[in-house]
Amino acid sequence: AQRVTQPEKLLSVFKGAPVELKCNYSYSGSPELFWYVQYSRQRLQLLLRHISRESIKGFTADLNKGETSFHLKKPFAQEEDSAMYYCASYPISGGYNKLIFGAGTRLAVHP
Amino acid sequence: DAGVTQSPTHLIKTRGQHVTLRCSPISGHKSVSWYQQVLGQGPQFIFQYYEKEERGRGNFPDRFSARQFPNYSSELNVNALLLGDSALYLCASSYSGNTIYFGEGSWLTVV
Repeated sequence: AQRVTQPEKLLSVFKGAPVELKCNYSYSGSPELFWYVQYSRQRLQLLLRHISRESIKGFTADLNKGETSFHLKKPFAQEEDSAMYYCASYPISGGYNKLIFGAGTRLAVHP
Repeated sequence: DAGVTQSPTHLIKTRGQHVTLRCSPISGHKSVSWYQQVLGQGPQFIFQYYEKEERGRGNFPDRFSARQFPNYSSELNVNALLLGDSALYLCASSYSGNTIYFGEGSWLTVV
């Protein structure tokens, strides 16, 4: 079965430190991958999608087909980055809105 | 512009009862999907509707059903509630496969 794996439940860093949130997917081919973020008491929102190759709030993510990974990175963490981060993908069989989510990683940025 | 709205925000039901959750998509969005998010896990896809037709169904029992109305709003129904149905139920809408926008969710507690 297709799977998106986020191996870390919690990532704790100090302000200004680099951040890497890990995401691995279980299938070959050309997946469409996303990072969603949920700040405290807010709704789930799209942070970035690999197909657009853009940088949002200083975050970037590169698709590595060889390692089947889509890790989220930021060179200098800010306290306002503290949130729950979910990696997600569309299934190979297609179908928009049918996202497969990882279990999520909570990022805690300390002053 | 209003985002995806869901009601009720919180509810408590007893095992064996039935529940109906409602969702209004963003104006102009014809696709609505439903997700279940159990505590500590990422959202899991339940249903997708587009133009009032079911376009996808996740791995959920027949106790779960949904429909979409002519104004594109949607209902999720769950019969014969079990304790394990306790979760956050998320509705999402999109315009023809573009970015998916999530509502704040309905918290269901089954006692």
